[in-house]
Amino acid sequence: NAGVTQTPKFQVLKTGQSMTLQCAQDMNHNSMYWYRQDPGMGLRLIYYSASEGTTDKGEVPNGYNVSRLNKREFSLRLESAAPSQTSVYFCASSEIGSSNQPQHFGDGTRLSIL
Amino acid sequence: AQKVTQAQTEISVVEKEDVTLDCVYETRDTTYYLFWYKQPPSGELVFLIRRNSFDEQNEISGRYSWNFQKSTSSFNFTITASQVVDSAVYFCALTGSGNTGKLIFGQGTTLQVKP
Repeated sequence: NAGVTQTPKFQVLKTGQSMTLQCAQDMNHNSMYWYRQDPGMGLRLIYYSASEGTTDKGEVPNGYNVSRLNKREFSLRLESAAPSQTSVYFCASSEIGSSNQPQHFGDGTRLSIL
Repeated sequence: AQKVTQAQTEISVVEKEDVTLDCVYETRDTTYYLFWYKQPPSGELVFLIRRNSFDEQNEISGRYSWNFQKSTSSFNFTITASQVVDSAVYFCALTGSGNTGKLIFGQGTTLQVKP
């Protein structure tokens, strides 16, 4: 019953360092999403992947790249970390990229950039 | 543009009180879906309910109830006889345009239930 698994759970980076956040789901879902959560702003969509082999930008994609490695895995990369990217990052998945499907979320990655 | 507004930033109640969390949304879509998620202190996001734009029936699940009113673009959430375990951040969210499943979240309401 793992659901959506994110690694790592915590990370501290220095400005300019790069890092990849990993996400894997075991529910055979087609669609996957990356969000960031900042105080007072709710969750905002960074990138999503409606199906294996496709990715699209969300509301706040600048400074990030993604890879849909296979149906299970969707990674988020910070090429040159900036303090403004300090946030909690959530990965989510849903059965299909349909508006009526609830998304299942991972436990989040808390990322601090000094 | 789509938008979700949760005007209540923080609410504090005493256990057993009833509490209503407000959610107002904006969309030009005729078909859309509304969601509520709970984020307890442990940090994970838990799906609570989904409602589509064609179903204005209120829903009750135990101590939880939801009031959807298209006329006022609101989807409010009421907890009856609140308990300490209800303490969490609650998010209202909206999907609509296209068929991508992208969620637009409100800012969240932090509910503190005191014993």
